Amino acid sequence: DGGITQSPKYLFRKEGQNVTLSCEQNLNHDAMYWYRQDPGQGLRLIYYSQIVNDFQKGDIAEGYSVSREKKESFPLTVTSAQKNPTAFYLCASKDRDRGPNGYTFGSGTRLTVV
Amino acid sequence: GESVGLHLPTLSVQEGDNSIINCAYSNSASDYFIWYKQESGKGPQFIIDIRSNMDKRQGQRVTVLLNKTVKHLSLQIAATQPGDSAVYFCAENNSSARQLTFGSGTQLTVLP
Repeated sequence: DGGITQSPKYLFRKEGQNVTLSCEQNLNHDAMYWYRQDPGQGLRLIYYSQIVNDFQKGDIAEGYSVSREKKESFPLTVTSAQKNPTAFYLCASKDRDRGPNGYTFGSGTRLTVV
Repeated sequence: GESVGLHLPTLSVQEGDNSIINCAYSNSASDYFIWYKQESGKGPQFIIDIRSNMDKRQGQRVTVLLNKTVKHLSLQIAATQPGDSAVYFCAENNSSARQLTFGSGTQLTVLP
């Protein structure tokens, strides 16, 4: 079955550490997205990529970095510069030819700073 | 910036009753709206969508109503079941921005 896989499901980070969240899709989608979800708030866009080797900052990119070396993969690194990283992180993908209803979301990674 | 928001953060309904979840939006340029369902610890799932040139759309047990005059969107779930318990949120699309803006969500709890 085609889908989008995020790992790990739970991640704990010590203050000052960088951590990388994995997102892999086998849907052959061109575009991939990273969102952050906090309690009582809507999804906020961190970074997105419309094509391999290209990505754009979203609304809350500070303290995060991404790469898009392969079409299937869009890892997100939460750096020590992100002062409040505890949140639920969602990855999504979409085919370029699909409209706004074409997003497929992963199951998320819950990151906690300890 | 403009945002999408929900009127009620929580909603409890008896099993078998109908549920109505509301959403207010402020961007009059939005041309497309989506409702998502998100179960605990999972990613959002598409439920139903509606274009701005429509005022009603029906799916299986769900209906979305759009009132552009007051910038209001609602999701109606008929004969609510325990499996409907989840967070529901709306999203709006601005074709020029090419991005979705998401609301904060309503927690629906179905009581036995």
